[in-house]
Amino acid sequence: GAVVSQHPSRVICKSGTSVKIECRSLDFQATTMFWYRQFPKQSLMLMATSNEGSKATYEQGVEKDKFLINHASLTLSTLTVTSAHPEDSSFYICSADSVGTQYFGPGTRLLVL
Amino acid sequence: GESVGLHLPTLSVQEGDNSIINCAYSNSASDYFIWYKQESGKGPQFIIDIRSNMDKRQGQRVTVLLNKTVKHLSLQIAATQPGDSAVYFCAGGGATNKLIFGTGTLLAVQP
Repeated sequence: GAVVSQHPSRVICKSGTSVKIECRSLDFQATTMFWYRQFPKQSLMLMATSNEGSKATYEQGVEKDKFLINHASLTLSTLTVTSAHPEDSSFYICSADSVGTQYFGPGTRLLVL
Repeated sequence: GESVGLHLPTLSVQEGDNSIINCAYSNSASDYFIWYKQESGKGPQFIIDIRSNMDKRQGQRVTVLLNKTVKHLSLQIAATQPGDSAVYFCAGGGATNKLIFGTGTLLAVQP
């Protein structure tokens, strides 16, 4: 149980384009999902908390207009990286809260050329 | 500010030996801790958790110890196997359901 999926698993895009990443809780409902970013050999950094039916809460230093989050249902949250630039290249990981425990998706590798 | 950090960035152990990975935290308000295992190119995998009203919790081959007096927790892996090779993160949570992750320890199991 408590399986979280992400799509796509990896994406390569040109600078200036937008990329949407989906996070789904497959066998449970999650009113709260989280989005993290991880650079090579570094820890996970929380970007934002995604709440079903309401606006996301962003961590300090994360541009809400650049990283658009939508949590339209209890099983789906999306992260859209708008006008992506090479410095946005990273490993993006989502998690979903199930009874107080966060379960993580497999991650999405984004490479912006 | 809040932080959850690890003492050792890399731990090398022989297959079959026991492994101990340590973690220190600074936020006294943290009352929930989780250990995650992350293999290369994958998302973190839940291993075991512990709440602040406990000082020890055991799972299959793993034990987490929590010492609130010195704000320290550890993950013990018994009979370490090659498949245990990964980066291990501790994470702490408090009143909110947000987690703060430590810097990670790379566990390398030598055959």
